[in-house]
Amino acid sequence: SQKIEQNSEALNIQEGKTATLTCNYTNYSPAYLQWYRQDPGRGPVFLLLIRENEKEKRKERLKVTFDTTLKQSLFHITASQPADSATYLCALGGGYNKLIFGAGTRLAVHP
Amino acid sequence: EAGVVQSPRYKIIEKKQPVAFWCNPISGHNTLYWYRQNLGQGPELLIRYENEEAVDDSQLPKDRFSAERLKGVDSTLKIQPAELGDSAVYLCASTTGRAKEETQYFGPGTRLLVL
Repeated sequence: SQKIEQNSEALNIQEGKTATLTCNYTNYSPAYLQWYRQDPGRGPVFLLLIRENEKEKRKERLKVTFDTTLKQSLFHITASQPADSATYLCALGGGYNKLIFGAGTRLAVHP
Repeated sequence: EAGVVQSPRYKIIEKKQPVAFWCNPISGHNTLYWYRQNLGQGPELLIRYENEEAVDDSQLPKDRFSAERLKGVDSTLKIQPAELGDSAVYLCASTTGRAKEETQYFGPGTRLLVL
């Protein structure tokens, strides 16, 4: 069965640094991958989508890469701010709008 | 524009009792999803609707869970009887259903605690 691994431990970084979150997967060949942000007590909110034929996508301070050979996606937040503190979920996409979510990585940005 | 609306936000019940969750998707969104999110885990799909039709309910525990989406708009997810292991957040999401790779818009979820 498909398996998605995200950093199980919280990632703690200082404000202004770059946060890098990892999403590894096995037994699956997603057509695309999405990243979502989830704050406590709220539903996930979409951030970025990257397709299997794309290597990198950027949106403001966010960057995502997708390596289908390594079966890995990296999510970067540059110039991080305390307001970036949240849980970040990666989701593998296949079929028609079917997503399989990872467990998420909790990011804490300290002033 | 209003987002996905869910109610109630919180529910505490005793085991073996029934419980129901309600979801109103974004206006015009034909596809509706129900997910369950256990503590420290990502959302897991329970059922997906295309208009009134349940097109993917393979992960729905049908012995105790049921869902309906009458008229292809609002949806209700029911558990009867609830078990201790059903304690989780139940999320509803919607998309237009008109394209692949769509962003899913999530509601705030219903946090269920079964005692």
